[in-house]
Amino acid sequence: EPEVTQTPSHQVTQMGQEVILRCVPISNHLYFYWYRQILGQKVEFLVSFYNNEISEKSEIFDDQFSVERPDGSNFTLKIRSTKLEDSAMYFCASSSTVATNEKLFFGSGTQLSVL
Amino acid sequence: GQQLNQSPQSMFIQEGEDVSMNCTSSSIFNTWLWYKQDPGEGPVLLIALYKAGELTSNGRLTAQFGITRKDSFLNISASIPSDVGIYFCAGQQNFGNEKLTFGTGTRLTIIP
Repeated sequence: EPEVTQTPSHQVTQMGQEVILRCVPISNHLYFYWYRQILGQKVEFLVSFYNNEISEKSEIFDDQFSVERPDGSNFTLKIRSTKLEDSAMYFCASSSTVATNEKLFFGSGTQLSVL
Repeated sequence: GQQLNQSPQSMFIQEGEDVSMNCTSSSIFNTWLWYKQDPGEGPVLLIALYKAGELTSNGRLTAQFGITRKDSFLNISASIPSDVGIYFCAGQQNFGNEKLTFGTGTRLTIIP
């Protein structure tokens, strides 16, 4: 089965530093998403991206966050100045359409620890 | 925001037992999905439900989309060790909008 690939699997950073989390969505997919999961809590939607622009974002996705599709294969999440509360598992996901019966594929996640 | 509450929060069962968990919401969802998450992994889709009242099976798993569109349940029959993990329900409010609202999760532990 095709896979969404995320790198790195773990990222440790100092508070205030910038981090970039990388994702390679499935190759023919058009819709891309970031979700996060704070330890022991539920998965929360951050942002969706289609046709080179953000289509929806949550309250969590404030000015410190940005997303980019710099080339034909990568999809990145940047946190400009990390805070302690940004520590979480960040999941990238992709789908080929927004049809209701279209499957959303999740990556294995990047565990971000902000010290 | 929308909240999906799952119960129970955790379950400890013997191998071979059946499992039942449910998910309720104060808001209507037009699609209900059930995911399983293994440690250190992303959620994997188990079952998707698209119509109120729909009952769908996937092997030993059966899920139903509640008539009110505000709830769903998942049953696992004859549990096996690899069923261990966290089960999340997720809902989509708008057709054509893939944003998922996840439930609070049910942690399943199987006692040998």
